[in-house]
Amino acid sequence: GQNIDQPTEMTATEGAIVQINCTYQTSGFNGLFWYQQHAGEAPTFLSYNVLDGLEEKGRFSSFLSRSKGYSYLLLKELQMKDSASYLCAVKDSNYQLIWGAGTKLIIKP
Amino acid sequence: IAGITQAPTSQILAAGRRMTLRCTQDMRHNAMYWYRQDLGLGLRLIHYSNTAGTTGKGEVPDGYSVSRANTDDFPLTLASAVPSQTSVYFCASSESDSSGANVLTFGAGSRLTVL
Repeated sequence: GQNIDQPTEMTATEGAIVQINCTYQTSGFNGLFWYQQHAGEAPTFLSYNVLDGLEEKGRFSSFLSRSKGYSYLLLKELQMKDSASYLCAVKDSNYQLIWGAGTKLIIKP
Repeated sequence: IAGITQAPTSQILAAGRRMTLRCTQDMRHNAMYWYRQDLGLGLRLIHYSNTAGTTGKGEVPDGYSVSRANTDDFPLTLASAVPSQTSVYFCASSESDSSGANVLTFGAGSRLTVL
């Protein structure tokens, strides 16, 4: 079966750096997405990786290793507004998105 | 403001009742999707539409139906609601159905409780 694994919850301190990992086992691979979802709100797009390596976008970076079935989202200079759930999703060989359950990130002052 | 509008925002429904969740987008996106989100689970695709006039079944289609009469509207109907359909429902859209980084734009969600 297809599976996306990410930690259920993480805690970090304001101003620090946090890495949220995502491992996947899917039938084929056509890209990996990270979305941010604040409590009670809709998910919003953060990043997309289809080739191995690091994609940087301001305070957020996303890394992909296709051979290891692994990605991480790196958040730098954490702010209180970064408290949210972070969803990892992989597009399989049929171009269907498979979603992880999300990682709830708690930022403490 | 361009985006997706969902209605209702929240609804409590008696089991056995029929319910339609409305979704309208003004971005002229070809593809539209309905997901449900339950605690501890990833988003699960209910139905999708690659273009107006076509629909397809997702991962959890049973008990739900959709229609896509035009580009903008994609309503989701529960013919006879059951308690297991208690969930938050998100409508989403994207420019295309598959290729490239077709980013999903989500509506604000509809919280449905079936008693």
